[in-house]
Amino acid sequence: GAGVSQSPSNKVTEKGKDVELRCDPISGHTALYWYRQSLGQGLEFLIYFQGNSAPDKSGLPSDRFSAERTGGSVSTLTIQRTQQEDSAVYLCASSSPMDLYEQFFGPGTRLTVL
Amino acid sequence: QKEVEQNSGPLSVPEGAIASLNCTYSDRVSQSFFWYRQYSGKSPELIMSIYSNGDKEDGRFTAQLNKASQYVSLLIRDSQPSDSATYLCAVRGEYSSASKIIFGSGTRLSIRP
Repeated sequence: GAGVSQSPSNKVTEKGKDVELRCDPISGHTALYWYRQSLGQGLEFLIYFQGNSAPDKSGLPSDRFSAERTGGSVSTLTIQRTQQEDSAVYLCASSSPMDLYEQFFGPGTRLTVL
Repeated sequence: QKEVEQNSGPLSVPEGAIASLNCTYSDRVSQSFFWYRQYSGKSPELIMSIYSNGDKEDGRFTAQLNKASQYVSLLIRDSQPSDSATYLCAVRGEYSSASKIIFGSGTRLSIRP
């Protein structure tokens, strides 16, 4: 596809369960970002992948959060033992090596933890 | 002090008027500035980027940057109802990697017919 895709679009889970969120960046984009956006709030940076470099994990809120990017393309964000405060929209973005700072966002995954 | 600050709004502007959105930032050495538009329930969309002091125009949009005063603004001329959205300001520091782009919490703009 032409844009960043994310799945699932909506996820409802019970507290304590693990969830996996997927992001498929724009073809050729070497940089991939995960953000979290709570209702009415700005974007909270979570993690950044750039090519083969070690990811910048400085935004991950706790060790329950992890992410990986396989083959320099698709990324998975995993949240273990989900808590109600994890409820938010999780946004993925990618950017081109020609301009790393102009990010293109996916439609997001709305996570609801009951 | 937040690194990137925006008035949350809502900012209500009549159709056809100029909408003015403002953003201030705390990192004096910030170099790159971005405006994203986010419709309700949708993901952010980049509409403007600006790197140098002064004005940058693109259609009905003008970004203005004043590094000495540490503010960046977005003007929308001839406002249309379709401009109603939340506008996010984003800032990158001088020596920061791409990951250190800090977003403001956004200003909600409402264009009234």
